[in-house]
Amino acid sequence: DTAVSQTPKYLVTQMGNDKSIKCEQNLGHDTMYWYKQDSKKFLKIMFSYNNKELIINETVPNRFSPKSPDKAHLNLHINSLELGDSAVYFCASSQWRLPNTGELFFGEGSRLTVL
Amino acid sequence: KQEVTQIPAALSVPEGENLVLNCSFTDSAIYNLQWFRQDPGKGLTSLLLIQSSQREQTSGRLNASLDKSSGRSTLYIAASQPGDSATYLCAVRSAGNNRKLIWGLGTSLAVNP
Repeated sequence: DTAVSQTPKYLVTQMGNDKSIKCEQNLGHDTMYWYKQDSKKFLKIMFSYNNKELIINETVPNRFSPKSPDKAHLNLHINSLELGDSAVYFCASSQWRLPNTGELFFGEGSRLTVL
Repeated sequence: KQEVTQIPAALSVPEGENLVLNCSFTDSAIYNLQWFRQDPGKGLTSLLLIQSSQREQTSGRLNASLDKSSGRSTLYIAASQPGDSATYLCAVRSAGNNRKLIWGLGTSLAVNP
């Protein structure tokens, strides 16, 4: 049973296209995140949703739009893809509401390559 | 502003050695600290989570300690194996309202047979 699953694992696309990455967690957590890991392996938070509400929105271009239909899903839609968007995108989840440990669980990542 | 530093950035050891990875943070007002490993091309796997009220956590050959007053955590790996080769990341969750997670850049470990 995969705790945090994201699809697709690999995505190769042309500049200017629009693409989506989906994420689902079956841990019963109330908080989900999107992280971007660039070529230097640095992890950067993009968004965080708690019970379908946006709680963290780092400086991310408007071309990136997260959508959370329910607390078990957090999808990432990217418009007008650019070369610099090439990275591995990780979805993660944790339990925010007390009592919680705040332990973070990650998906396997979605490697996006923009040509 | 919380900053997290991991030293060394890279480490190469022969199999069987006991080793210590270091994580330091600048603000002691933390909620918890979590150690992860990342294998090449893979996601992050949670290894150990230490709450701010705890001093250490153990899982198998891994032991993580936390000293909030000095702003340090160490990950001790006993009897290292080639399968331990990975990047080890430390993440500190602040005690503020948004409980922001601040990441170190990781230590890349190679255990040689």
